[in-house]
Amino acid sequence: EIVLTQTPLSLSVTPGQPASISCRSSQSLLHSDGKTYLYWYLQRPGQSPQLLIYEISSRLSGVPDRFSGSGSGTDFTLEISRVEAEDVGVYYCLQGLQFPRTFGQGTKVEI
Amino acid sequence: QVQLQESGPGLVKPSETLSLTCTVSGGSISSYYWTWIRQPPGKGLEWIGSIRYSGSSYYNSSLKSRVIISVDTSNNQLSLKLASLTAADTAVYYCAMGASPFSWGRGTLVIVSS
Repeated sequence: EIVLTQTPLSLSVTPGQPASISCRSSQSLLHSDGKTYLYWYLQRPGQSPQLLIYEISSRLSGVPDRFSGSGSGTDFTLEISRVEAEDVGVYYCLQGLQFPRTFGQGTKVEI
Repeated sequence: QVQLQESGPGLVKPSETLSLTCTVSGGSISSYYWTWIRQPPGKGLEWIGSIRYSGSSYYNSSLKSRVIISVDTSNNQLSLKLASLTAADTAVYYCAMGASPFSWGRGTLVIVSS
């Protein structure tokens, strides 16, 4: 099973400042089809998780462009260029390369 | 827009079997993979398993001996059965669309207690 390790586990940010979350995989998430199946989710307090980014860097429709994903192979990063109050919550990475699917531990972002 | 709604008992006794249903509206269950995920109070997300309408299914190895996921295409529903419950199974249970989910239900809290 693929293990995803997120750092940091918690992050206190100032509105308007950038934030960065790392997700490291125990093996490459590059598929033979050329795509890399790494996803980012945000779970706001009291809500269900929502998909933000798929395949490393593709934003879901409606996701603000202050969110960006990058990386390759086993190392990935979610960046928020200017944090807003609505960005508070727990961010999770997920690998979609193989079953069983696995999540990172989550990173709690507070303001 | 597809909507997912979980339903089931909020309280179950230890050693019993949990049965949850997820009703899919606004789209057909005869597409995509469908997934159950759970979240113990104050903890992270745990993938339980995924199933395709055709029947192919995959489970978390730590739960595999106790879990069955199935689809009912006639009622557009997804179901989860989890046997031999313990307090450690207390969690919010989510159904979701996609093996790497892109749409989630609101979740239903299940408490295992006598």
